[in-house]
Amino acid sequence: DAGVIQSPRHEVTEMGQEVTLRCKPISGHDYLFWYRQTMMRGLELLIYFNNNVPIDDSGMPEDRFSAKMPNASFSTLKIQPSEPRDSAVYFCASSLRRAGANVLTFGAGSRLTVL
Amino acid sequence: GQQLNQSPQSMFIQEGEDVSMNCTSSSIFNTWLWYKQDPGEGPVLLIALYKAGELTSNGRLTAQFGITRKDSFLNISASIPSDVGIYFCAGRVNYGGSQGNLIFGKGTKLSVKP
Repeated sequence: DAGVIQSPRHEVTEMGQEVTLRCKPISGHDYLFWYRQTMMRGLELLIYFNNNVPIDDSGMPEDRFSAKMPNASFSTLKIQPSEPRDSAVYFCASSLRRAGANVLTFGAGSRLTVL
Repeated sequence: GQQLNQSPQSMFIQEGEDVSMNCTSSSIFNTWLWYKQDPGEGPVLLIALYKAGELTSNGRLTAQFGITRKDSFLNISASIPSDVGIYFCAGRVNYGGSQGNLIFGKGTKLSVKP
């Protein structure tokens, strides 16, 4: 398996623009997570899905952030409108729930810079 | 809420030295995980621990799930240059049958001594 695939790897945009980050989880995994990493706050969970259904979005900073998972092999994280404070590395991770396991496999991340 | 304190925040290593880092929690966890992150990459799982007292090795790495279930440590023996990176601990409480969120420590940054 190719692992968790994220795109784009790097995105530079201007304040106010819409940003869409994409994720393809590992085939067969039933959980998908979106994390944000910054120097100040470390890794923060934004939202996670189970079988394509959002379970906990309490980490989503505000209404400018939205995430969807239309099918088992694709998810998007959208920021509209973007702001400079959204600059961070965004990670997607997936996992398969089974007894005694359930560890996250991370993608390589999408580095977002909002000018 | 649940918090993880990871220490040290950073450390310098000389090739061949042993390294030790740990995480403590204000809550009891059912799972402890240790990840390593290289520059420009996502965290990669090193070791997973599921039972209090469990001691698990992965090559030169050894991690233990504390008896109190509120702490875990990671040791690296005979460090080599490619050990540099950021090491994260992560813990999870499983609520009933649900997944529970994974809580991450702030990381321990390992660098080579100049």
